This record gives sequence, C-alpha cells and structure tokens, in this order.
Amino acid sequence: AQTVTQSQPEMSVQEAETVTLSCTYDTSESNYYLFWYKQPPSRQMILVIRQEAYKQQNATENRFSVNFQKAAKSFSLKISDSQLGDTAMYFCAFIRNSGNTPLVFGKGTRLSVIA
Amino acid sequence: GAVVSQHPSRVICKSGTSVKIECRSLDFQATTMFWYRQFPKKSLMLMATSNEGSKATYEQGVEKDKFLINHASLTLSTLTVTSAHPEDSSFYICSARDRLTGGEDGYTFGSGTRLTVV
Repeated sequence: AQTVTQSQPEMSVQEAETVTLSCTYDTSESNYYLFWYKQPPSRQMILVIRQEAYKQQNATENRFSVNFQKAAKSFSLKISDSQLGDTAMYFCAFIRNSGNTPLVFGKGTRLSVIA
Repeated sequence: GAVVSQHPSRVICKSGTSVKIECRSLDFQATTMFWYRQFPKKSLMLMATSNEGSKATYEQGVEKDKFLINHASLTLSTLTVTSAHPEDSSFYICSARDRLTGGEDGYTFGSGTRLTVV
C-alpha cells in the first residue's frame, strides 16, 4: 500500500517570502503521479501542481515549483513570493499509473501567509 | 476545464432523516467517483469508490447501509446518508475520474457538502 507523509502540520511565512512544504511517500510502484492540492477556507480542492514520476525535470507552475527526488521518495513544494491568497491547507497526493485507484493523501499542512 | 457540480453545498437535517448529495460531471464522463469525508482541519478520508453501472466498493469501517452510493450514469453519482445522526455531521466531497484522461491529471473535485444533523 502507498502512504504519503507530511510532517509539518502548520507553517507560516511572511508575505513575499519563500516557503517549502515537505512530503515523502512510500510505494513499490515504478510509475506514478504526484500532486499538490490546495484547499482554501472555501474547502474547494484546487490542483496546484503535478509531477510524473518518470520525468526527472521538476514541475513548475508560476510561483509554485517542486523538488522531486525519486530515489529519496521526496516531493516538496516551494512557494515563492508568497501571497495572502496562498493561505490554505496543502495536501500532497499520490496516484499509481494504472487502474481506477483513488488519490492517496497526506495529512496536510496548514499554511498561513502573514502580512 | 473539467467541472464537477456538487449539491447541496450545505444541508441541515433532523436526526433520523435521509439526505442525498449529488455530484455531476458537467463536461466529461466520469467512469469512477470517489467519495470522501473530511473532519475539520483533517485530511480527506476515502469512504467509497463507485464505478458507473456497478455496486460501490466501501472502505473498511464505512457502513454501506448508511451511506448508499449510486452511480447510475457516466455523469451522475449520488451519496445518500440514511437515518442520519449527529455523528454523521461532516464535510463530504466527491472526486471524479475522467473516462478519457484517467488519473494522470489528478481527479476533479466537487465543491463539497457540509452536512449538519440536528
């Protein structure tokens, strides 16, 4: 079974600064996808960024980037130039490449951006 | 992009009554719908997986007679909380797997339903 671990329950960052959220996972699969989801106070789940395990290049989406270390099974999220609107719960998630399997979520990190 | 419409967004019901939550995929066909429950400040807990035209598969500890899931078409899945009790109060959220893209783009989530049983 796959597991996803987020070891930081809460974090805070000053506006305009950079913050990194940690995520590790455990799997015996060789091909899979990793995601970071954002859940603001509205509780709508928003996909922030995705990474394909077979790609070595780290994914980036504007101010969001990941550091994907496949051998270490690590998938951290870096948010640059943090904005007040980035305040939310962030969930790291895993899905294997085959079948109708659900996303496996970590416990989440609550990020507060401080003005 | 893909949209899953989930209704109602909020519902208050009396103990002992049943509540139906709907999730509709608006612009894609959802072969699979995943239903989650989320407690405040906690992660999403998978309740069940439903495939179109088949019986739902429930996670261990989830009462299938209390949480009835129907996935009668490729665009509609429903979760009915039967004989609701205050301990069923929670946030319920669905996510859909697109028939064409699978899971590689992540799944599309509904906006969630806050259920309060009084």
